[in-house]
Amino acid sequence: AQSVTQLGSHVSVSEGALVLLRCNYSSSVPPYLFWYVQYPNQGLQLLLKYTSAATLVKGINGFEAEFKKSETSFHLTKPSAHMSDAAEYFCAVSGGTSYGKLTFGQGTILTVHP
Amino acid sequence: GAGVSQSPSNKVTEKGKDVELRCDPISGHTALYWYRQRLGQGLEFLIYFQGNSAPDKSGLPSDRFSAERTGESVSTLTIQRTQQEDSAVYLCASSLGDRTQPQHFGDGTRLSIL
Repeated sequence: AQSVTQLGSHVSVSEGALVLLRCNYSSSVPPYLFWYVQYPNQGLQLLLKYTSAATLVKGINGFEAEFKKSETSFHLTKPSAHMSDAAEYFCAVSGGTSYGKLTFGQGTILTVHP
Repeated sequence: GAGVSQSPSNKVTEKGKDVELRCDPISGHTALYWYRQRLGQGLEFLIYFQGNSAPDKSGLPSDRFSAERTGESVSTLTIQRTQQEDSAVYLCASSLGDRTQPQHFGDGTRLSIL
């Protein structure tokens, strides 16, 4: 069985500040990990994915995430927040016996203050 | 279009009525998924179709829920005798089928049960 825990349902940062959204996973097999972003009244858009290649993954809009097996973490970061980054972010894991099925975290709402 | 298309975008219906939600995946995507997103919660997996294989229905919450897919094209999610707890956004996603491949999401159908 797999699970995802996103620490912090709400994160607030100032424009230009570091963004750090935390994600921890549990998986009985090597996981594939994804970060998605959801803007209001829209579907989910892929930010980046980890599929057992490089542990530091770069995505769109300046986001990146590092896979740390020892910590079972896949935290999402961006060096400098922009107002347009305000959205809800979801971490998800795929793998194991649930072929193709994504297990999502509860989501983190990011607010960016001017 | 190039993306996953869902219709209707919004649906309001009375408790006890049946509803049908439609999903048009990206052309060439063999895998199709339905998820449910309740207010303030993460996404729950409902059902997964992969090519001509038997679908994974393990996420369907009750026998009032069913889904069909014709070949590798359109899918329909049907909810019979709707209840108020069925109110949610229903998201469809498609992918190339390999679990390393990201899922591409539609904008969802917002279902409100009165």
